Amino acid sequence: DVVLTQTPPTLSATIGQSVSISCRSSQSLLDSDGDTYLNWLLQRPGQSPQLLIYSVSNLESGVPNRFSGSGSETDFTLKISGVEAEDLGVYYCMQVIHAPLTFGSGTKLEIK
Amino acid sequence: EVQLVESGGGLVQTGRSMKLSCAASGFTFSNYGMAWVRQAPTKGLEWVATISYDGSSTYYRDSVKGRLTISRDNAKSTLYLQMNSLRSEDTATYYCTREVRRYTTDYYYYFDYWGQGVMVTVSS
Repeated sequence: DVVLTQTPPTLSATIGQSVSISCRSSQSLLDSDGDTYLNWLLQRPGQSPQLLIYSVSNLESGVPNRFSGSGSETDFTLKISGVEAEDLGVYYCMQVIHAPLTFGSGTKLEIK
Repeated sequence: EVQLVESGGGLVQTGRSMKLSCAASGFTFSNYGMAWVRQAPTKGLEWVATISYDGSSTYYRDSVKGRLTISRDNAKSTLYLQMNSLRSEDTATYYCTREVRRYTTDYYYYFDYWGQGVMVTVSS
């Protein structure tokens, strides 16, 4: 199975601070057609996951543009430019190119 | 408004069966693949199974093959997960989620809507 390693496991930020989360894959997530299948989700406390970003850098409709994604093949980053209180929760990366589909272990964002 | 509402969870004994349902509304259910993703207490997310838009193709993680069966009824806009021979490690919140496969100049694949989840507890 593809292993997605997220760092850091926990992140503490003040309102307005910019933060980054890393997701490293044990296999390339780039397919032969040049598409890369890495998505980011946020699970707020007590809620179900919500999609933030798909295919590395595409912002899902309704998601604030302070969220951005970048990366290629095996190394990916989610950046939040100016954390807001509503951003607390656990962030997961997810690969959808190799079976079985797998998730990272999560990064918990706490607000100071 | 897209809605996915799971039901059918609860407490079940080891080795017994349970069937989860996910009622979909707000979109044309028969146009989308669907999936189940679970989350054990205090743990991360784990993909369980996916079914194609017409039910002709199904995919499972190895640990549930032969025990869990994903199915759908497009006339009722409902997704199911039949769970047999349940084990303690199946204890989790189960989410149904909508699969999107979209092609423009690039190919996109993601899960955009998630239900609120239903808890399944397997205990002896």
